[in-house]
Amino acid sequence: SQELEQSPQSLIVQEGKNLTINCTSSKTLYGLYWYKQKYGEGLIFLMMLQKGGEEKSHEKITAKLDEKKQQSSLHITASQPSHAGIYLCGAEGTSGSRLTFGEGTQLTVNP
Amino acid sequence: GAGVSQSPSNKVTEKGKDVELRCDPISGHTALYWYRQSLGQGLEFLIYFQGNSAPDKSGLPSDRFSAERTGGSVSTLTIQRTQQEDSAVYLCASSQQTSGFYNEQFFGPGTRLTVL
Repeated sequence: SQELEQSPQSLIVQEGKNLTINCTSSKTLYGLYWYKQKYGEGLIFLMMLQKGGEEKSHEKITAKLDEKKQQSSLHITASQPSHAGIYLCGAEGTSGSRLTFGEGTQLTVNP
Repeated sequence: GAGVSQSPSNKVTEKGKDVELRCDPISGHTALYWYRQSLGQGLEFLIYFQGNSAPDKSGLPSDRFSAERTGGSVSTLTIQRTQQEDSAVYLCASSQQTSGFYNEQFFGPGTRLTVL
């Protein structure tokens, strides 16, 4: 079965700093999803990556999928307290449908 | 509705009791998923519905767990004879998927279940 490993597990940064979260898969990724979760709430969709080498940006968040489609990174530029939360990467398996998730990265942004 | 809704938002029950959790997906979404999120376990897949049928039930942890979906819309997750290890946040998601990959899943706010 596919496993996703996220690093770091937690991250504390000062407002305005840049940061990167990584997601590494044990198998080739067919669809890689990034979600954000605030405590006690559901998951908010951020981005989906399909193709090797693909890069997508939304506001100050950029996600990339490497050429071999086994690793993705999420980069936040000039972080703000509103970026705080748990970031989860999720991957589709070989038959689509269900998502397997990483353990999550807890991000704290201090003002 | 505008998004996926779940009820109740919080449920506290005693060990051994049965509970029912409800999910209302986004209108028109054919696929519906149940996940469980607990401390130390991350987010685990439970079951997936395509229409009213469940082609993938592989994530259900025991026969105490069951789920159904009626009319291709609302789904109910039932846990019988609850145990303390069932305590978790149960998340529901839906997507427009008909087949294949790359179908964004929209998540509900979850039901926080506490078994005393």
